[in-house]
Amino acid sequence: KAGVTQTPRYLIKTRGQQVTLSCSPISGHRSVSWYQQTPGQGLQFLFEYFSETQRNKGNFPGRFSGRQFSNSRSEMNVSTLELGDSALYLCASSLEGRGTDTQYFGPGTRLTVL
Amino acid sequence: AQSVAQPEDQVNVAEGNPLTVKCTYSVSGNPYLFWYVQYPNRGLQFLLKYITGDNLVKGSYGFEAEFNKSQTSFHLKKPSALVSDSALYFCAVRVWGKSSGDKLTFGTGTRLAVRP
Repeated sequence: KAGVTQTPRYLIKTRGQQVTLSCSPISGHRSVSWYQQTPGQGLQFLFEYFSETQRNKGNFPGRFSGRQFSNSRSEMNVSTLELGDSALYLCASSLEGRGTDTQYFGPGTRLTVL
Repeated sequence: AQSVAQPEDQVNVAEGNPLTVKCTYSVSGNPYLFWYVQYPNRGLQFLLKYITGDNLVKGSYGFEAEFNKSQTSFHLKKPSALVSDSALYFCAVRVWGKSSGDKLTFGTGTRLAVRP
């Protein structure tokens, strides 16, 4: 089975712009989660989607949003980019998003905001 | 609220020696615990998990972890370290609810350096 894929792998944007990141989960996985990784804050949970519904959300401003499509693919959007949004954004998928399921991670999208 | 602590920023070990990467957790209810490894410029790679049952969990690449409920710990171990094990290791606790959804809370990570 193919793993979790994320596109693009690298992005450079300027302050004030917006960006959309894409995640394709492992085939058959219905839960998709997003995380932000920075040297200062470490790995932080952004949100989780299951069956096109956001089930859980972390402590991020409303500029961060996401959605999930009927084929379980997910996108996250960041509007009005700030320098502090520079990070590695990781997507993870699991079967049903239950406690016993394993989350499998994609390679990440490296976002640089200038 | 759940939390995970990895008290060591870095662990240094010689190749062939046993290694331990420490993790303690705080969570209400039964913990679901995970270890992941991250190589440079890569995503997180799943190593092993504890859900229930045997306190010693075996995972990928010869790694194992010992769950200790009384000490709220979940230390990662390997009997004989390889240079290729050098990477960043993350411990995580899972919080899940049927209505509240799924979320992994990660520790700050421990950098493992294995010298030849």
